[in-house]
Amino acid sequence: AQTVTQSQPEMSVQEAETVTLSCTYDTSESDYYLFWYKQPPSRQMILVIRQEAYKQQNATENRFSVNFQKAAKSFSLKISDSQLGDAAMYFCAYRSKDGGSQGNLIFGKGTKLSVKP
Amino acid sequence: DAGITQSPRHKVTETGTPVTLRCHQTENHRYMYWYRQDPGHGLRLIHYSYGVKDTDKGEVSDGYSVSRSKTEDFLLTLESATSSQTSVYFCAISEGHPYEQYFGPGTRLTVT
Repeated sequence: AQTVTQSQPEMSVQEAETVTLSCTYDTSESDYYLFWYKQPPSRQMILVIRQEAYKQQNATENRFSVNFQKAAKSFSLKISDSQLGDAAMYFCAYRSKDGGSQGNLIFGKGTKLSVKP
Repeated sequence: DAGITQSPRHKVTETGTPVTLRCHQTENHRYMYWYRQDPGHGLRLIHYSYGVKDTDKGEVSDGYSVSRSKTEDFLLTLESATSSQTSVYFCAISEGHPYEQYFGPGTRLTVT
C-alpha cells in the first residue's frame, strides 16, 4: 500500500521570503500522480499543483513550484515570495495512475504554514 | 470553481441517531468520493463511487453507507451515529485524466 509522509507538522516563513514544504511517499508503482492541496482557515481544499510521475520536468504554477525526485520518492513544494494569504494547511497527496475504479487520493497528515508580516 | 455543494454545512446530532449528508455536483463527473478529516490524520477515504449505483468501500468505511441514484448526487449515511464519527466530511469529484479531485466546502458533524 502507498503511504505519504509530511515530516513537518508546522512551518513558518516571513512575508516575501521562500519556504519549502517536504513530502515523501512510498510506492512500488512506476507511474502515478502527485498533488499539493492548500486548506486555508475557510476549510476549502484547493488544488495548488500537480505532477505526473512520468514527466521529469518539475511542475510550476506562478509562485508555487515542486522539486520532484522520483528515485528518492520526494515531492517538495516551494512557495516563493510568500504572501499572508498563503497561510494554510498544505497536504501532499498521491494517486495511482492505474487506480482502476478507485483512483482515490492518499493524503499526508499536512503541514501548517504560518506567514509572518 | 467546480460546482460542488454539500448539505448540511454544520450538524449536531445525538449518539444513535441516523444522519445523511448530501453531496451535489453540477459538473457531470463520473467519480465521487467521501473523505473524513480528523486532526493528525489528514483526509481518509470513506466510500467512493465510479458511476450511478456503483460504489465501493474506502479505508474507513465501518459505520457508513452510501448511495448514488443520480450522477449528480452522492449520499453518505451514518446508520447510528457515534462520537467517533465527529469529524469534518468532504465530498470530492473527479473525471478521468489528469485525475485531480475537486472538493466541496465540507460538513462539520458533531455527535454528542
